[in-house]
Amino acid sequence: GDSVTQMEGPVTLSEEAFLTINCTYTATGYPSLFWYVQYPGEGLQLLLKATKADDKGSNKGFEATYRKETTSFHLEKGSVQVSDSAVYFCALSDGGDFNKFYFGSGTKLNVKP
Amino acid sequence: NAGVMQNPRHLVRRRGQEARLRCSPMKGHSHVYWYRQLPEEGLKFMVYLQKENIIDESGMPKERFSAEFPKEGPSILRIQQVVRGDSAAYFCASSQTASYNSPLHFGNGTRLTVT
Repeated sequence: GDSVTQMEGPVTLSEEAFLTINCTYTATGYPSLFWYVQYPGEGLQLLLKATKADDKGSNKGFEATYRKETTSFHLEKGSVQVSDSAVYFCALSDGGDFNKFYFGSGTKLNVKP
Repeated sequence: NAGVMQNPRHLVRRRGQEARLRCSPMKGHSHVYWYRQLPEEGLKFMVYLQKENIIDESGMPKERFSAEFPKEGPSILRIQQVVRGDSAAYFCASSQTASYNSPLHFGNGTRLTVT
């Protein structure tokens, strides 16, 4: 079945460091891929998405490229801020009968000043 | 433009009681999804509903759990005879269409604690 695998956290970085959070997926069809962010005590917020191979999603300095050949959708940011501290979830929607999402287990990011 | 509204934010129930969780989707959204998040884990799909219809409930436990989305009013996730293992955060999401590239919009969740 479809699934998403993320690198385990927590990831601890200093402010202005470069961020990479790895995400790989398994899907039978041609999924859409998403990154969501969850701040403490809140729900998930859509960060960015990509709907086909080689698409790049970007938002708030974050970006991720849909790589079909490596089945990956790694999240990157060139210079993190303390306010980026949160849990990041990679997800796919498999284009099956309905808009069913599969989520990774989440990666907690701590950014220190 | 209100987002997805869930209430209550926190719910405490004793073992054996019933829990009712409510969700009002975003304006204009008729597709509602419920997810459960256990501590330190990702979200697990439970059920997908459209107005008055359950479309897919493959993630719902077979017993004690039920969901509805009536013609009028919010979607309700109901857990009967709660047990400690039901303690989790329950998130509702909505989307404008059922298209696979239509993002889900999440509420802030209901955190259920069973004592």
